[in-house]
Amino acid sequence: NAGVTQTPKFQVLKTGQSMTLQCAQDMNHNSMYWYRQDPGMGLRLIYYSASEGTTDKGEVPNGYNVSRLNKREFSLRLESAAPSQTSVYFCASNILGGERLEFMNTEAFFGQGTRLTVV
Amino acid sequence: AQSVTQLGSHVSVSEGALVLLRCNYSSSVPPYLFWYVQYPNQGLQLLLKYTSAATLVKGINGFEAEFKKSETSFHLTKPSAHMSDAAEYFCAVSGYSGGGADGLTFGKGTHLIIQP
Repeated sequence: NAGVTQTPKFQVLKTGQSMTLQCAQDMNHNSMYWYRQDPGMGLRLIYYSASEGTTDKGEVPNGYNVSRLNKREFSLRLESAAPSQTSVYFCASNILGGERLEFMNTEAFFGQGTRLTVV
Repeated sequence: AQSVTQLGSHVSVSEGALVLLRCNYSSSVPPYLFWYVQYPNQGLQLLLKYTSAATLVKGINGFEAEFKKSETSFHLTKPSAHMSDAAEYFCAVSGYSGGGADGLTFGKGTHLIIQP
């Protein structure tokens, strides 16, 4: 059972370059999330997708775009990378979807992370 | 909107001593609370979650947490620390704003250090 798979695990970009972080889950989950983790800041939500075909901004969306390609896949794109985007990025998924309150107490499952450095 | 405050960015305890990691939350709806652990260079994994079935929740690796509504707290404890408990711990609350699920809101994390 693979769970949540992120690629790549490590990436170094030059300022201004673009790239896409890939995430796929095989648990038939409805919602998917992208977080960034920075020292002393915890995890901050960038974007999320409550269900296939929908995406919404989180706490720190500027400089990012996302695509919910299908139920399994949720990608995060940096169009023009900046040093401030140096971080560890985590994708997560949850069976929770839309307004299904009965799933509010279900946990999210996380990928192993992508360590991105922008120089 | 919900929020989580973890008191103490670093906590150091001796091996065999009590572990206490503090978490306070604010939420406009009945909270769904979680503790996650992150070992070095790994993703987050669930330690335990509060589901309203019981105020004292037991998790993996001997950890437990008690939900106290009057104190808006969900502190994590373990009676006897082990070297393998050294990790980053995150408290999180699950949100709902009426327009759909907002995902998890995390505290800033507490780095647990175990002294031999």
